[in-house]
Amino acid sequence: AQRVTQPEKLLSVFKGAPVELKCNYSYSGSPELFWYVQYSRQRLQLLLRHISRESIKGFTADLNKGETSFHLKKPFAQEEDSAMYYCAPRPPRTLYGGATNKLIFGTGTLLAVQP
Amino acid sequence: DGGITQSPKYLFRKEGQNVTLSCEQNLNHDAMYWYRQDPGQGLRLIYYSQIVNDFQKGDIAEGYSVSREKKESFPLTVTSAQKNPTAFYLCASSIRQAMEGYTFGSGTRLTVV
Repeated sequence: AQRVTQPEKLLSVFKGAPVELKCNYSYSGSPELFWYVQYSRQRLQLLLRHISRESIKGFTADLNKGETSFHLKKPFAQEEDSAMYYCAPRPPRTLYGGATNKLIFGTGTLLAVQP
Repeated sequence: DGGITQSPKYLFRKEGQNVTLSCEQNLNHDAMYWYRQDPGQGLRLIYYSQIVNDFQKGDIAEGYSVSREKKESFPLTVTSAQKNPTAFYLCASSIRQAMEGYTFGSGTRLTVV
C-alpha cells in the first residue's frame, strides 16, 4: 500500500535549537513531495515543494530516494514556528501513464518551540 | 480571502439528518478535493473531482456524496449513513496536475448533537 509516515506526533524543542521533522514514504518511482503547515487558527498552507529546492522561513527539505525520506529541517527554531506540519507526497504516474493529482497526507507532527 | 471559501464555519446537525457543506473557489482551478481532519489521523481524502461533472471516491467516501455541476463549486453532503460525522472538513483546489500543491479553505467544523 502507498503510505506516508510521520513518526512523531509531537516534537518539543527550545528556541534556537535545531529542528528535524521526519517523513518517510513508501512509493516506488519518484513522487513529488510537499510540506504543509497549519498555524493556530489559520488555514493549512503550503510551506515548500521539493522540486523547487527552496528555503522558506529557514526550513529546507531534501529528498533522499535511498531512504525514501523527505525530512523537514531548520537549524535554529523560533517560537513562531510552533504549528502542525504535514508531509504530503503526490504519487508518481501510474503504470499506464496517467498522472494523479491526489496528495496523500501524513498524520502530522505538532512542533512546539519553547522560549 | 485566499480564493477558496468554505461555509459555514461551524455546523450542528441532529442525528439522522443530512447536511451540505459549501466550497467555492475563484482560482479557476480544475481540481477540487474534500478532506476530513481528525486528531491523530491527519487528513483523509473523502472525494475529489478533476473536472466538471466528474468526481471519484477517496479513501473514506462511505456516507458522503458530492456534486460538481460548476467549476467553482464542489459541495459535500454528509448523509445520515455516515456513522461518525463529527469532524473538521477541509476543501482544497488545485490546477489539474497539482504541480504547485493545493490551496485550502478555512474549514467547516461539523458537530452531530
